[in-house]
Amino acid sequence: GAVVSQHPSRVICKSGTSVKIECRSLDFQATTMFWYRQFPKQSLMLMATSNEGSKATYEQGVEKDKFLINHASLTLSTLTVTSAHPEDSSFYICSARDQIDQPQHFGDGTRLSIL
Amino acid sequence: DQQVKQNSPSLSVQEGRISILNCDYTNSMFDYFLWYKKYPAEGPTFLISISSIKDKNEDGRFTVFLNKSAKHLSLHIVPSQPGDSAVYFCAASGVRNQGGKLIFGQGTELSVKP
Repeated sequence: GAVVSQHPSRVICKSGTSVKIECRSLDFQATTMFWYRQFPKQSLMLMATSNEGSKATYEQGVEKDKFLINHASLTLSTLTVTSAHPEDSSFYICSARDQIDQPQHFGDGTRLSIL
Repeated sequence: DQQVKQNSPSLSVQEGRISILNCDYTNSMFDYFLWYKKYPAEGPTFLISISSIKDKNEDGRFTVFLNKSAKHLSLHIVPSQPGDSAVYFCAASGVRNQGGKLIFGQGTELSVKP
């Protein structure tokens, strides 16, 4: 149980392109979903928290207009990297949880490469 | 300000022996702690967790110990197997007062040699 699917697994695109990443909870209802970014050899850094049906809460230093998050249903959240540039290249990972005192379960991540 | 620290970037252990991974935290408001295992180019996989009301939680080969006074937790894997080789992240959360956001340590790369 507790499977989170993230798609696509890898994206390579030109600078200026907007990229959408999907995160789905397959066998549970995700009240809350989280988006992380991981740089090589570093830890996971939380970008934003989204609750179904409400606006995402962004961490300090994360541009909300750059990283658009939509959590339209209890099983789907999307992250759109708008007008992506090479510095946005990174490994993006989503997670989902049902209750606040339950573990977060992670997707397999999306490797984004902007040329 | 690194609230969760894993001071050992790597650990090498012989198959069959015990692996001990350590984690320290600074925020006394944390009340829920987790360990995740991660392979390259994959998302973390949840291993085991512990609430601050406990000092030990065991699940098969994995045991997590929490020392609240020292703000320290550890993950014991025994016996260690080559398939345990991965990066292990500890994470802390303030369920009651921080919305359950996870703060991750830097990770420890475990290598279990046959």
